[in-house]
Amino acid sequence: QQPVQSPQAVILREGEDAVINCSSSKALYSVHWYRQKHGEAPVFLMILLKGGEQKGHEKISASFNEKKQQSSLYLTASQLSYSGTYFCGTETSGNTPLVFGKGTRLSVIA
Amino acid sequence: EPEVTQTPSHQVTQMGQEVILRCVPISNHLYFYWYRQILGQKVEFLVSFYNNEISEKSEIFDDQFSVERPDGSNFTLKIRSTKLEDSAMYFCASKRGGRTRYEQYFGPGTRLTVT
Repeated sequence: QQPVQSPQAVILREGEDAVINCSSSKALYSVHWYRQKHGEAPVFLMILLKGGEQKGHEKISASFNEKKQQSSLYLTASQLSYSGTYFCGTETSGNTPLVFGKGTRLSVIA
Repeated sequence: EPEVTQTPSHQVTQMGQEVILRCVPISNHLYFYWYRQILGQKVEFLVSFYNNEISEKSEIFDDQFSVERPDGSNFTLKIRSTKLEDSAMYFCASKRGGRTRYEQYFGPGTRLTVT
């Protein structure tokens, strides 16, 4: 079952902050965040593992609430380059395939 | 920095024809995946491959699809008889495995257009 992302779309001015959420009805092993620009491949941003381990982008932070099976991606002081569609992908165990949400389209304007 | 590569970048084929999409995963990676993305929609899992066999596949991955790792470097996706609804972007991804690296690295994709 695919995770649910919210919001579906958001428009920001440069310098503003945004939060993108990803929720699952299943117990998760990990949450992966990717950004995809139009016509390009998804680019890995961040991974959050059950138990608190994280690995990812220096300027982007995220959290994983294991009780709620929810992850949030925090984009602070947004830049034009942050524009794109953000997908969360979830794993229910260490080597299961990623199940992606429908994505959140983020547009940063000057 | 090592990366996943895919060829061709764009493939146009007629309905009913066979296509083979090629991927070269990152060399020390052990897990390989194919995903597809219909224009404007989410990325959908097709199949995962480990230790020279399919480890998991989705409902989309029916008998028309097959995967192979013929020579230890290439990872291919074959669609035997393409349908219009197979038109999509196909992404290959690889992962090293083990506890040290978990992220999947995506290739640039192959745009498949079935006419």
